[in-house]
Amino acid sequence: ILNVEQSPQSLHVQEGDSTNFTCSFPSSNFYALHWYRWETAKSPEALFVMTLNGDEKKKGRISATLNTKEGYSYLYIKGSQPEDSATYLCASGWDGQNFVFGPGTRLSVLP
Amino acid sequence: NAGVTQTPKFQVLKTGQSMTLQCAQDMNHNSMYWYRQDPGMGLRLIYYSASEGTTDKGEVPNGYNVSRLNKREFSLRLESAAPSQTSVYFCASSEASSWSWQYFGPGTRLTVT
Repeated sequence: ILNVEQSPQSLHVQEGDSTNFTCSFPSSNFYALHWYRWETAKSPEALFVMTLNGDEKKKGRISATLNTKEGYSYLYIKGSQPEDSATYLCASGWDGQNFVFGPGTRLSVLP
Repeated sequence: NAGVTQTPKFQVLKTGQSMTLQCAQDMNHNSMYWYRQDPGMGLRLIYYSASEGTTDKGEVPNGYNVSRLNKREFSLRLESAAPSQTSVYFCASSEASSWSWQYFGPGTRLTVT
């Protein structure tokens, strides 16, 4: 079973700050890396799916990079807003079907 | 489109009781998944179905069974509930395999006393 790690476990930032967090995964037999945003009392929603080493994805103020050789992905949020407060999950797939989710990074953006 | 729907939203069971959690999707997705979410542990895969007629075990399958009734529906059954199965259960679906992102249902909060 893959072990997918995320750091930090939680963080608090001020509105307007930029922030980033890390997802680490085993690099062997890598298939795909997903990022999800999970607001309290809701269901996870997909942000990005990345498959190629060096992939960069962007959606508004949120972007992500992928390094499959060293087994990590970064998620960046530029100019954090209170509505960005959520848990950010990454998930790694290794056999074309099975997934392992990381424990998540809980972000709180203080106004 | 309703997306992914789950029933029930909440359920309380006594130890030893059985129940089936229902999941349906209207996006014509091939793959469907069942996860459980426990505090501090993220989402853990219980079972998945890559296509109609196939099911496979995930990380934590013990105590559960699944049925892919048709392309739309994927049910999760607890034959003899235990307190350790108290959790929030999420169903998800995706178009294909792990390069397609997953769409999640609203979750079922299950308490086993």
